[in-house]
Amino acid sequence: KAGVTQTPRYLIKTRGQQVTLSCSPISGHRSVSWYQQTPGQGLQFLFEYFSETQRNKGNFPGRFSGRQFSNSRSEMNVSTLELGDSALYLCASSLGVRQYEQYFGPGTRLTVT
Amino acid sequence: GENVEQHPSTLSVQEGDSAVIKCTYSDSASNYFPWYKQELGKRPQLIIDIRSNVGEKKDQRIAVTLNKTAKHFSLHITETQPEDSAVYFCAASNAGNMLTFGGGTRLMVKP
Repeated sequence: KAGVTQTPRYLIKTRGQQVTLSCSPISGHRSVSWYQQTPGQGLQFLFEYFSETQRNKGNFPGRFSGRQFSNSRSEMNVSTLELGDSALYLCASSLGVRQYEQYFGPGTRLTVT
Repeated sequence: GENVEQHPSTLSVQEGDSAVIKCTYSDSASNYFPWYKQELGKRPQLIIDIRSNVGEKKDQRIAVTLNKTAKHFSLHITETQPEDSAVYFCAASNAGNMLTFGGGTRLMVKP
C-alpha cells in the first residue's frame, strides 16, 4: 500500500498571504489528523477529520482551518500568514477514530518570509 | 488538557548498551500511548504503542512499559545500534486520534 502523501513538500510564502496544504491518506484510512512541528514548540495537534467532519481541534487561532473530502483526502488552510507559522506541517492517517495507529506523511515545509 | 513530559532531552549511549526514555502524562483518562522515531529530515515513524489495559509490550529490541497509577510510561531499547540514532517522541491520547506529544529525546548511539 502506498503511504501517506502530502503536497507540496516545500513552500515559501510572504507574510499576509494564505496557503493550502494537501494530504492523501493511506488507502482505506478514513481519519486524517494534522500536526505542526517546530523546534520551539515540538509536535502540536491542529485538527482531526473523519467522514468529512472535524472531530477535534487543537489550540490554534481561527486562521488555521481544514476540511476533508468524500475520498478522505484532506486540506488545511492558513490565512494571513505570520512569520511564526513557519513550520513542518504533518498529516497522519488512521483507519478510524478509536485510537488506531496513526501513520505520518513526509510533511510540508512552510517558510514564511 | 493533557500534558506530556519526556526525559531526558538528549541521551548518548555506547553501541550495544541499553537506552531508556521516560514520559509522564497528566490526564488519567488517557489510554493510548504510542512512540515515534524521527530520523533527521524524515517523517515520524510509529515504532511501538501500548494501551491502558496492558502493562508491558515487546517487539524485538524495543519494549514499552506503562504504570497507570503513577501516570508514566517508558521506552526501552536493548542492544542499541548506530541506526537507532534519532529523535524519539512519546505521545498520549484520551480520545479519538488527538495525540499530545512529549518534547522528544535525541538518542545518539556511538559506535
